[in-house]
Amino acid sequence: AQSVTQLGSHVSVSEGALVLLRCNYSSSVPPYLFWYVQYPNQGLQLLLKYTSAATLVKGINGFEAEFKKSETSFHLTKPSAHMSDAAEYFCAVSDGATGNQFYFGTGTSLTVIP
Amino acid sequence: EAGVAQSPRYKIIEKRQSVAFWCNPISGHATLYWYQQILGQGPKLLIQFQNNGVVDDSQLPKDRFSAERLKGVDSTLKIQPAKLEDSAVYLCASSLRAGATEQFFGPGTRLTVL
Repeated sequence: AQSVTQLGSHVSVSEGALVLLRCNYSSSVPPYLFWYVQYPNQGLQLLLKYTSAATLVKGINGFEAEFKKSETSFHLTKPSAHMSDAAEYFCAVSDGATGNQFYFGTGTSLTVIP
Repeated sequence: EAGVAQSPRYKIIEKRQSVAFWCNPISGHATLYWYQQILGQGPKLLIQFQNNGVVDDSQLPKDRFSAERLKGVDSTLKIQPAKLEDSAVYLCASSLRAGATEQFFGPGTRLTVL
């Protein structure tokens, strides 16, 4: 079975500061890992995904994440926060099998302080 | 390319009433998912369709929830009768096929049960 744990339900950073959102996964098979962003009253938008290729994955809006098997982690980072980054972020895991069910974390709300 | 469409966007009902949500996936996407997102939590899969067949409905409360995708295109999710704990955002997503590495999400329907 797959699951993800997002450490920190709320993260606040100053504009221009580093963004670090933490995600640890549990999977009995090589996982596929995803970060989604959700703006108020909108659906989820894919930021980036890891599907067993390069361990450092670059996504949209300057975000990137690194797959670390030894730490079972897939933390999301951005060097410099922008006000528009304020949103809810979800980490998700799937096994990539035919069923491809996604298991989502509980989310991290990012606040950017001007 | 049009995204996943959902309606209505908002619905307020009283407990024990019935409600239905509609979803139209991206054209050509064979797989359709319904998720329930309770406030403060990540999305939880309710049901997955492959064309017009059910792939996984293990987390669907079948005593009150039902879903169909009769022609393998759009889908309807129904709750009858609704309970207070059904208050949530109901998200529809689609992917090209089961096992595809990306799911595309609609804007969701926010249900409030009074």
